[in-house]
Amino acid sequence: QKEVEQNSGPLSVPEGAIASLNCTYSDRVSQSFFWYRQYSGKSPELIMSIYSNGDKEDGRFTAQLNKASQYVSLLIRDSQPSDSATYLCAVTGTGANNLFFGTGTRLTVIP
Amino acid sequence: DTAVSQTPKYLVTQMGNDKSIKCEQNLGHDTMYWYKQDSKKFLKIMFSYNNKELIINETVPNRFSPKSPDKAHLNLHINSLELGDSAVYFCASSQDSGASYNEQFFGPGTRLTVL
Repeated sequence: QKEVEQNSGPLSVPEGAIASLNCTYSDRVSQSFFWYRQYSGKSPELIMSIYSNGDKEDGRFTAQLNKASQYVSLLIRDSQPSDSATYLCAVTGTGANNLFFGTGTRLTVIP
Repeated sequence: DTAVSQTPKYLVTQMGNDKSIKCEQNLGHDTMYWYKQDSKKFLKIMFSYNNKELIINETVPNRFSPKSPDKAHLNLHINSLELGDSAVYFCASSQDSGASYNEQFFGPGTRLTVL
């Protein structure tokens, strides 16, 4: 089982602030990295994917990848109460279809 | 126009029973998956099927068997249910090519409760 580590939280930020979510992984051959958002009682929803080192921005979301440090993060700018959810980091393993999830970080945005 | 659908949404059954969960995707994806999410919210892959061929089986008990009648369907059969099987089971699918490498899209989940 590949290790994908996340701080389980809860992480609380005030509305309008930047939320920073972090993830480390153990498998150096991982090639694809994903962030999923899961509201309580709902299914995981893909919000960001990143495949190369650096930053990738999509609206209020920025994913950052550092393969040398085996680290991927998600920044949420101008956090909204609707961003309150559990955020799951997922990375691929050696096989094309192996996707391993972290345990998730629960984010609460306080109005 | 649901992309990945599962039935039933809830399943309550007694220990020892055999049950099935159905999954269908209308995205034209190549690969389908089954995940188990336990009470601690840890999401773990169980199976995946690519072109009707099993390509992952992550040490899942053989009481669990995936069945894929065609590329758009991957059903999960569970025999002799145990208390520890209680969890939410998610089906997912992906198109493993090009820029969308292994982006997986999830169904709504089936909450299984074994009494």
